[in-house]
Amino acid sequence: NAGVTQTPKFRVLKTGQSMTLLCAQDMNHEYMYWYRQDPGMGLRLIHYSVGEGTTAKGEVPDGYNVSRLKKQNFLLGLESAAPSQTSVYFCASSYSYRGRSYNEQFFGPGTRLTVL
Amino acid sequence: TQLLEQSPQFLSIQEGENLTVYCNSSSVFSSLQWYRQEPGEGPVLLVTVVTGGEVKKLKRLTFQFGDARKDSSLHITAAQPGDTGLYLCAGAWNDYKLSFGAGTTVTVRA
Repeated sequence: NAGVTQTPKFRVLKTGQSMTLLCAQDMNHEYMYWYRQDPGMGLRLIHYSVGEGTTAKGEVPDGYNVSRLKKQNFLLGLESAAPSQTSVYFCASSYSYRGRSYNEQFFGPGTRLTVL
Repeated sequence: TQLLEQSPQFLSIQEGENLTVYCNSSSVFSSLQWYRQEPGEGPVLLVTVVTGGEVKKLKRLTFQFGDARKDSSLHITAAQPGDTGLYLCAGAWNDYKLSFGAGTTVTVRA
């Protein structure tokens, strides 16, 4: 099993450009998450999904959109990139067992995004 | 705003020494997790603690959850260079989401 994969690994954008980050998991997990990691600030939740076709806002959702059309994929979109969105982006997934979420999250390797 | 405060922010020790990292909050969590992250990679789960006062051991790592489920500590005995990394604590406060601390960067010098 590949676990959680993210594409691309690196990307440089100019201000105002758009892009989509793809996250895929092969563990049949119900829950998926997008975080950004900035120095000294830990991981901050952007958006999350509790199942196929559902999405919800996290702590820092402004400037981002997400979609989860298939259970195994979670897409993060930036419609008009800004320098403040320069960060490392991580996708994660987690599972439930007998209807209970254990919140044990499995992370992808990250996407390093620079917005000039 | 960080719900979880980690201390210290940086820690540099010599191989063979012991170290402790702290994770504190004013909130009560249903469970608390510790992750380790190496440069260029995503965080990897080390342990989940659920019960107040719980102590878990993972080889040379000892994790403790406070009695009131608001704080936790990670103690490493006889640290090795392979223990170098960013240690993150994360508290679960509902069924789906975690709140992460800012992390403690640990460097173990050979």
